[in-house]
Amino acid sequence: AQSVSQHNHHVILSEAASLELGCNYSYGGTVNLFWYVQYPGQHLQLLLKYFSGDPLVKGIKGFEAEFIKSKFSFNLRKPSVQWSDTAEYFCAVNADTGFQKLVFGTGTRLLVSP
Amino acid sequence: DTEVTQTPKHLVMGMTNKKSLKCEQHMGHRAMYWYKQKAKKPPELMFVYSYEKLSINESVPSRFSPECPNSSLLNLHLHALQPEDSALYLCASSQVAGPANEKLFFGSGTQLSVL
Repeated sequence: AQSVSQHNHHVILSEAASLELGCNYSYGGTVNLFWYVQYPGQHLQLLLKYFSGDPLVKGIKGFEAEFIKSKFSFNLRKPSVQWSDTAEYFCAVNADTGFQKLVFGTGTRLLVSP
Repeated sequence: DTEVTQTPKHLVMGMTNKKSLKCEQHMGHRAMYWYKQKAKKPPELMFVYSYEKLSINESVPSRFSPECPNSSLLNLHLHALQPEDSALYLCASSQVAGPANEKLFFGSGTQLSVL
């Protein structure tokens, strides 16, 4: 069975600091990888996804993530965070079985202080 | 319209009650999902509907009964729930249920409390 680990449960940063959130998954086959974000009071929305090609994926709002197959990792990065990035971030994986069965990580709560 | 709308936003029910959660989307998506999210936990998949047919049931207890009356609507009927069923119930949709790289659109959820 697939599983996803997010080791940072809470992260506090000042504005303009750089961000890296870790995500590791366990599944030996082909996977599709996602980062979803949930802003306070809002619904989950897709930040970016990887399913093939360039392992460095760029998403919305200046976020990017790098898929490193040998490390089973898909870390999320942003060079300079803003107060508006305060949210909960979920890494998710879906084995390429032809069906959407997203498995989410436990989430990382990011607080950016102005 | 890129929204998934869920009603009600909050629901309190007793263990003997029968209630229903509703989900609606008008994006022409043919796959719809129910997820359950307990406090401080990630969302967990419950059901997947593809073209109005139940495709995946993640061993969910029968006190949860999904229904997809048409391509825009998804219901979750609740009966004889337990307090441990209290959670945020999320509905999602995608254009199709596969391939597995499809983007999901989530609703804001129904916060359910079972007394």
